[in-house]
Amino acid sequence: NAGVTQTPKFQVLKTGQSMTLQCAQDMNHEYMSWYRQDPGMGLRLIHYSVGAGITDQGEVPNGYNVSRSTTEDFPLRLLSAAPSQTSVYFCASRDDWDTGELFFGEGSRLTVL
Amino acid sequence: RKEVEQDPGPFNVPEGATVAFNCTYSNSASQSFFWYRQDCRKEPKLLMSVYSSGNEDGRFTAQLNRASQYISLLIRDSKLSDSATYLCVVIPNNAGNMLTFGGGTRLMVKP
Repeated sequence: NAGVTQTPKFQVLKTGQSMTLQCAQDMNHEYMSWYRQDPGMGLRLIHYSVGAGITDQGEVPNGYNVSRSTTEDFPLRLLSAAPSQTSVYFCASRDDWDTGELFFGEGSRLTVL
Repeated sequence: RKEVEQDPGPFNVPEGATVAFNCTYSNSASQSFFWYRQDCRKEPKLLMSVYSSGNEDGRFTAQLNRASQYISLLIRDSKLSDSATYLCVVIPNNAGNMLTFGGGTRLMVKP
C-alpha cells in the first residue's frame, strides 16, 4: 500500500514562477489537506478538502490554489512563487472523522529564490 | 497567543531517563487531542491519542488537564530511538476539519 504520495520531493523555483505539487492517496480517504512547515511555526494548514469537488481554505491559503476532481488526487498550485513560500509542504489524508490520525506524504522541499 | 504552544527544547536526556513534555492550548472548547512524532526530515506520524481519563501505551503516557488547558506526554526509560520532535495536535470544537499543530518539542536521548 503506497499511502500518500507526493511529488516532487525537492524543487527550486525563481520568484514569479508557478508550479504544482502533486498529491495522491490510495486509501480512499475523503479528507485531504495541505500543510506547510516552517521552523518555529509548526505545521500550518493551507487548504483542505472533505471530498471530490469540495475544497476550503485553511489558516494560510494566500498564494495557493487547490482542486479535488477525484478522491485520490489533491494538487497544490503555487500561482506566482515568492521567497516567503520557501518551506516544506506536506499532503495528508484521513478517513475516520472522529480520530486525529492524519496520514502524511513524505514532504516536498520547496526553495524560492 | 498561539492556539497550541509547546516548549521547543531541545530536551537532552540520558538513556533510561524519564522525560515529560507539556502542551498548552488556548481554546477551552477543544475536544480532541493527540501527540504526533516527527523524525528529522520525515513526515509526522500519530504517536497516540489523548483521552480525558489519560492513556498509556508501553513507555508512553498521555494526560489531559482541561482545567489548566494542557496535555502532557511522559516517556519512561528513554531509548536512543525516542530522539525526535513531538508535536501536540488539537482539534477545536467548532473546526473538526482543522487540526491545529503545536510547534513541536525536540527530544534528544544521549547514550
